[in-house]
Amino acid sequence: GAVVSQHPSWVICKSGTSVKIECRSLDFQATTMFWYRQFPKQSLMLMATSNEGSKATYEQGVEKDKFLINHASLTLSTLTVTSAHPEDSSFYICSATLRHQGGQPQHFGDGTRLSIL
Amino acid sequence: GENVEQHPSTLSVQEGDSAVIKCTYSDSASNYFPWYKQELGKRPQLIIDIRSNVGEKKDQRIAVTLNKTAKHFSLHITETQPEDSAVYFCAAPNKYNFNKFYFGSGTKLNVKP
Repeated sequence: GAVVSQHPSWVICKSGTSVKIECRSLDFQATTMFWYRQFPKQSLMLMATSNEGSKATYEQGVEKDKFLINHASLTLSTLTVTSAHPEDSSFYICSATLRHQGGQPQHFGDGTRLSIL
Repeated sequence: GENVEQHPSTLSVQEGDSAVIKCTYSDSASNYFPWYKQELGKRPQLIIDIRSNVGEKKDQRIAVTLNKTAKHFSLHITETQPEDSAVYFCAAPNKYNFNKFYFGSGTKLNVKP
């Protein structure tokens, strides 16, 4: 149980393109999902909390107009990197928890490796 | 966010030896501390976790200890094997949202055969 699917796994595109990444909870409902970014040899940096039916909450320093998050259903959150540039190249990974209460582990998707040329 | 510090950044041990990785956190209200293992290019995988009502938890060769007073917790791997080589991350929850986690900077463990 608690499977999180992320798609696509790899994206290579030209500078200026917008890229959408999907995160799905396959066997449970997730009112909250999280988006992280991981640069090579670095830690996972929390970007934002995706809330079903309401606006996402962004961590300090993360541009909400640059990284659009939509959580329209209990099983799907999307992250759109708008007008991507080479500095946006990174490993993006989502996660979800089973219940909306503390003390639960995060279940991660497989991640999306984004390369902007 | 939560301030999570992790040490060491790299750790090299001989197969069969023990490895210890330490993390400190800043919010005393934190009540759940997971450890993740991440292999290159893959998702982090939960290997062990501990809740604040216990001081130690063990699962075969892996153990985690928690000192709430000092606000630090440690990962212990005994009888290390080459397949333990990976990057390990600790995490601690945000004090306002216990589902939201901040990660330590990671420890690259290299187990030499």
